[in-house]
Amino acid sequence: DAMVIQNPRYQVTQFGKPVTLSCSQTLNHNVMYWYQQKSSQAPKLLFHYYDKDFNNEADTPDNFQSRRPNTSFCFLDIRSPGLGDAAMYLCATSRQGGFPEAFFGQGTRLTVV
Amino acid sequence: AQSVTQPDIHITVSEGASLELRCNYSYGATPYLFWYVQSPGQGLQLLLKYFSGDTLVQGIKGFEAEFKRSQSSFNLRKPSVHWSDAAEYFCAVAGGTSYGKLTFGQGTILTVHP
Repeated sequence: DAMVIQNPRYQVTQFGKPVTLSCSQTLNHNVMYWYQQKSSQAPKLLFHYYDKDFNNEADTPDNFQSRRPNTSFCFLDIRSPGLGDAAMYLCATSRQGGFPEAFFGQGTRLTVV
Repeated sequence: AQSVTQPDIHITVSEGASLELRCNYSYGATPYLFWYVQSPGQGLQLLLKYFSGDTLVQGIKGFEAEFKRSQSSFNLRKPSVHWSDAAEYFCAVAGGTSYGKLTFGQGTILTVHP
């Protein structure tokens, strides 16, 4: 009964090679979020979608992009990964104005070699 | 801007002992507050939340937290810790009704000795 699913759980990519991380949800929530969590740090919000409206955080690097083709899916694209982008990437969903809770996926651990 | 402070980076307790993890927040309006737990290599699991009403909230796994507006605190407690509680705990505040737009504290790592 997984509700927020991230694929893959582990991703290894080469320095500078574009990579895409995937998130899907079965909750029909209208808001989806991407967080970056570096080792021994708190999660940091990169951006979120309110329905189809994209909202970027001010300090999110241009190297990070996102797509949301429909309600259920959201992708995180890293155009040219650097060693500093190695992190756990967490996807979350919530319903605007609904039950006050965000649901997180299990995360994708990205390694850059 | 909102912020969350968890003063204790690492706490060690013995199994069966009581636990309190501290959290202080800064937010202009009535906050939505959360405690999440994260096991190594895993995502975040919600333990409990506060958004209004009774200031003592009960969560899963026997955890509770108390909202104290006068102290801007939302401390997490458990009367008797189990070895399986060893994990990292994050306190977070939501910006308005975007419940997933969270500002997290730095986290507290809990170690449980047998």
